[in-house]
Parts: sequence; C-alpha cells; structure tokens
Amino acid sequence: DTGVSQNPRHKITKRGQNVTFRCDPISEHNRLYWYRQTLGQGPEFLTYFQNEAQLEKSRLLSDRFSAERPKGSFSTLEIQRTEQGDSAMYLCAVQGGDSPLHFGNGTRLTVT
Amino acid sequence: AQSVTQLDSQVPVFEEAPVELRCNYSSSVSVYLFWYVQYPNQGLQLLLKYLSGSTLVKGINGFEAEFNKSQTSFHLRKPSVHISDTAEYFCAVSGNGNKLVFGAGTILRVKS
Repeated sequence: DTGVSQNPRHKITKRGQNVTFRCDPISEHNRLYWYRQTLGQGPEFLTYFQNEAQLEKSRLLSDRFSAERPKGSFSTLEIQRTEQGDSAMYLCAVQGGDSPLHFGNGTRLTVT
Repeated sequence: AQSVTQLDSQVPVFEEAPVELRCNYSSSVSVYLFWYVQYPNQGLQLLLKYLSGSTLVKGINGFEAEFNKSQTSFHLRKPSVHISDTAEYFCAVSGNGNKLVFGAGTILRVKS
C-alpha cells in the first residue's frame, strides 16, 4: 500500500482518443504532483497543486494535457487527442508539509 | 535550475558484494537530495534523503549515501547486496524540498 491510489493501472488507447487518469491520496496532503516517465528515463515533472490551486506547469504539458484537483483531494489528468509519443507511465505523488514526495504505482499508457 | 547525472545506466554485481551507485548534481542554490528505488511496474519508494546536518545519511534496506558539496555528489552505497535489491535507482534533487528533478536512473542487477 503506497498511500496513493492511481487508476487505471494500465490503459491502451488508439491514437486520437482522449484518456483520463485519476489519483486518490488515501489521506490528506496539501501538495499533489504529476510526473511522466518514459522507458529508460527518470520521472519528469508535469504539474503540481497546492490544495485546489495548480501552481506550476511544465513546458512538457502541452495544450492537449489538462489536470484538475477540484476539492483539494483527488486529481485527474486528461490527455486529449492522444499521440504515440504520449505512451509513458504517469505517476502521481503527494506531499504533506516538509515530508518527501510519496508516489503511487502509476498508470501505464500505451497509445497504438 | 537543477540537474542530476547518474553516471552508470546499469551496474551488475554479485550477491553479497558491495555496490556504489553514482550521482552528481548541479544547482545554483542549496539543495535537498534524495534516492528512490523503483521495482518493475511500481511507483518510486524513498530510500533516503539529505536535507541538512550530517553528510552521511542512512536509509532503508541497509543503504546509505554521502553528500559531498565540493564534488556535488550524492553517491549511494550498500556494503553487501541481496538478490532482492535488483531494481532501478533514481537520484533526485530539489531546491526547496518540493518539486524533484530526477536523474535517468541506474539499474542494479544482483547476480547469484
């Protein structure tokens, strides 16, 4: 149990389709992060929330990507018009106070 | 801006032998440093962290790391590895303890 639940674990979609991932922290954490990890690389920062507010977005986050955290608890990441280059593991992490980031098991996206 | 270089993409080692995984960082500000481990199809688990104080940091599973400011390094060590240590290890840096910048990872392969 990582303390962060991500669903689905795996998603296979066709190019051009929209997909949405969900991240549910088990307990309250004021900060929530999304990272993307491609094969052979370390995780790359996408965006983060302080409670409901999205405070920073990476240049990696194109217009096709949108993230929300409407009530300051769970978060969703949507990718519109998926491309093969979007295939990756999408990781959610949470942080409370000064504690280190705590990661979920990720959602693996495959775009065919 | 911060960056991390993990000098070895793969490190093969025999069981019960010592191992060192190398990490160098670049930052214009004071840093916090972390090592995470990732098992196949899972998220990242924190091994250890350096925030301040003693430069030798002990973590879980018998791992330790030493912060060397003059050499901008944070190498991870274990005196005797087990088969179960086979995984990918990521070094990460943060300027404020929040958003992490990761290295590309080092795959540790422990052989019997």
